[in-house]
Amino acid sequence: KNEVEQSPQNLTAQEGEFITINCSYSVGISALHWLQQHPGGGIVSLFMLSSGKKKHGRLIATINIQEKHSSLHITASHPRDSAVYICAVSSMDSNYQLIWGAGTKLIIKP
Amino acid sequence: ETGVTQSPTHLIKTRGQQVTLRCSSQSGHNTVSWYQQALGQGPQFIFQYYREEENGRGNFPPRFSGLQFPNYSSELNVNALELDDSALYLCASSPGTAGSSYNSPLHFGNGTRLTVT
Repeated sequence: KNEVEQSPQNLTAQEGEFITINCSYSVGISALHWLQQHPGGGIVSLFMLSSGKKKHGRLIATINIQEKHSSLHITASHPRDSAVYICAVSSMDSNYQLIWGAGTKLIIKP
Repeated sequence: ETGVTQSPTHLIKTRGQQVTLRCSSQSGHNTVSWYQQALGQGPQFIFQYYREEENGRGNFPPRFSGLQFPNYSSELNVNALELDDSALYLCASSPGTAGSSYNSPLHFGNGTRLTVT
C-alpha cells in the first residue's frame, strides 16, 4: 500500500462543476502540499497545509490530521483547470524528502 | 511566476555522454531539491542541497551528482547517460533550513526535458 493515496486517478467533468480530489496518507506528517502540473510543464505549488483549511480564489484545501485525509476542491471549474493535481506530504521521519501521491488527472470540458 | 529558472528547457544526448542541468533559485532560498519525472509517473526525489552541501539523497546511483553555489544557483550532473535517464528533471527551491524546507511553500522550475538516444 502506498503511503500517499489519491482518488480518483482520473476525473472528467463539465465546466462549472464542483470538483473534489481526495488524498489519504498513512505516515505522520509535518505538512501536506497540493501541487498542479500542466502537460509537459513544471509544477506549481497550490497550498501547503498543516491544519484546517485554506482558500485561494476558486481553490479550497482542507486537512483532517486525525483522519489523515485532505481534500482539494475547485468551485466553478473551468477548462483551464485541466491539469494533474498532486498531493505530497513531508514525513516527520524524513523532513527533506516529500512522499508523493500518484496524481489525479483532471479534465474539464467546456 | 515562481522565480525558479531551469536551463536548458530541452536537451538531447546519446547514451554514455554526460549532461549538466542548471537551476537558478530565488534569492534567499537556501534549499534546492532535484527530481526526476519519467513520462506518466510522479516525481522521484534525487537529492537535496542546503547551503552548498548535499543534505539528503533518494535512490539514485552516484553518477547523479549535484552542486549548489552561493548565488542560489545549482547544477545536476549525470554521467554515463542511460536510455532510462530520459525524463523531465525538476528543481524546487524553498527558503529556510533544510530540516524544515518542506514546511515552506515549494517553488518549482518548469523543468528540463532530457532525451537520451
